[in-house]
Amino acid sequence: GAGVSQTPSNKVTEKGKYVELRCDPISGHTALYWYRQSLGQGPEFLIYFQGTGAADDSGLPNDRFFAVRPEGSVSTLKIQRTERGDSAVYLCASSLLGGASSTQYFGPGTRLLVL
Amino acid sequence: AQKVTQAQTEISVVEKEDVTLDCVYETRDTTYYLFWYKQPPSGELVFLIRRNSFDEQNEISGRYSWNFQKSTSSFNFTITASQVVDSAVYFCALNEEGRRALTFGSGTRLQVQP
Repeated sequence: GAGVSQTPSNKVTEKGKYVELRCDPISGHTALYWYRQSLGQGPEFLIYFQGTGAADDSGLPNDRFFAVRPEGSVSTLKIQRTERGDSAVYLCASSLLGGASSTQYFGPGTRLLVL
Repeated sequence: AQKVTQAQTEISVVEKEDVTLDCVYETRDTTYYLFWYKQPPSGELVFLIRRNSFDEQNEISGRYSWNFQKSTSSFNFTITASQVVDSAVYFCALNEEGRRALTFGSGTRLQVQP
């Protein structure tokens, strides 16, 4: 079946602008995760959804970052007043269940560049 | 707190050589899960393997094998007879029971030369 998809694949924006990044998880997966990957680093956790609710948002760096998953499927990561330091690849993953043992399957990522 | 260390930043081998990628982890939990992912130049993280802390049996899948040793907190990955298509960045990751977020190492870039 189809894997995790993310749009757009690339996003260039100017400092101070608002951006939305979309994630479409694997069908039937109840858990959804957002990570951020900077150049030369491993992914870093941002937020986790179980169903429609954000069960853990401890990784969000500040209140400019927000994510929603209103119907328990597609999720949108929203970044307000973007800063150059927000430039990174934003990865979305989903898993069938939300436990620590559940394998997370990743999408191709959205490469965000803030000028 | 959980932590994963991949000390090898970059490894270069010639095709058909065997190569081992090291992963050392830290956790205070007795129940945890270890993962390896491959990230080819296309950028998508590809799942390779998951192990739980109660299963120390080594695993082999084709040319890939994994050595899990709790005594040294290591979960090393060996590619036998490497191929050019194995060129990628490989990440080791850890998840503790009760948590949801994977903690990744900084990755090892493997270059296999023809």
